[in-house]
Amino acid sequence: DQQVKQNSPSLSVQEGRISILNCDYTNSMFDYFLWYKKYPAEGPTFLISISSIKDKNEDGRFTVFLNKSAKHLSLHIVPSQPGDSAVYFCAASGADGLTFGKGTHLIIQP
Amino acid sequence: KAGVTQTPRYLIKTRGQQVTLSCSPISGHRSVSWYQQTPGQGLQFLFEYFSETQRNKGNFPGRFSGRQFSNSRSEMNVSTLELGDSALYLCASGNLFAPSVGELFFGEGSRLTVL
Repeated sequence: DQQVKQNSPSLSVQEGRISILNCDYTNSMFDYFLWYKKYPAEGPTFLISISSIKDKNEDGRFTVFLNKSAKHLSLHIVPSQPGDSAVYFCAASGADGLTFGKGTHLIIQP
Repeated sequence: KAGVTQTPRYLIKTRGQQVTLSCSPISGHRSVSWYQQTPGQGLQFLFEYFSETQRNKGNFPGRFSGRQFSNSRSEMNVSTLELGDSALYLCASGNLFAPSVGELFFGEGSRLTVL
């Protein structure tokens, strides 16, 4: 059973607009959530994280929102830039380490 | 500061063979985790080592094994390779006692193709 789900395999957004990537989880014991970004032929790189005691964390163009009651988090990128085109993985931290979603391929169109 | 180094970057094996992949974590990091990435499955956790001890293990068959050395370098081994083992194997290091809390630093991966 998948504990971390990214239901959109891909997302296409126009340059300059907002990109919203979604992630749902089932395990209420997760205490920390992270987003990673991956370019082809490279390893994932850490982007932004949020503790379960918070509902928002912002870092420049990137903001992560956490809705614990809905077991849902989202990553907002605004404005979207061509270099943001990549696969984004949502990850949740628990007793068994990090559990990753399957990823969403974000495509920024000019 | 050097990043996480994985070797080899690419390799081709045939069914039934075995393979050993190596990972050197960032200097000072004591935790090493391994992940398998396949199309459509995302990143699947294999195992995690901290100070030479396996601390967590994912849901993979016993053909997948690993170890960590005293210098924190880690190896993973896959025996009796199957076609489905073709994947990108990623190693990640962390510098926290509880590395699951906080960011991991990933290597570029070892791309394994099983023919």
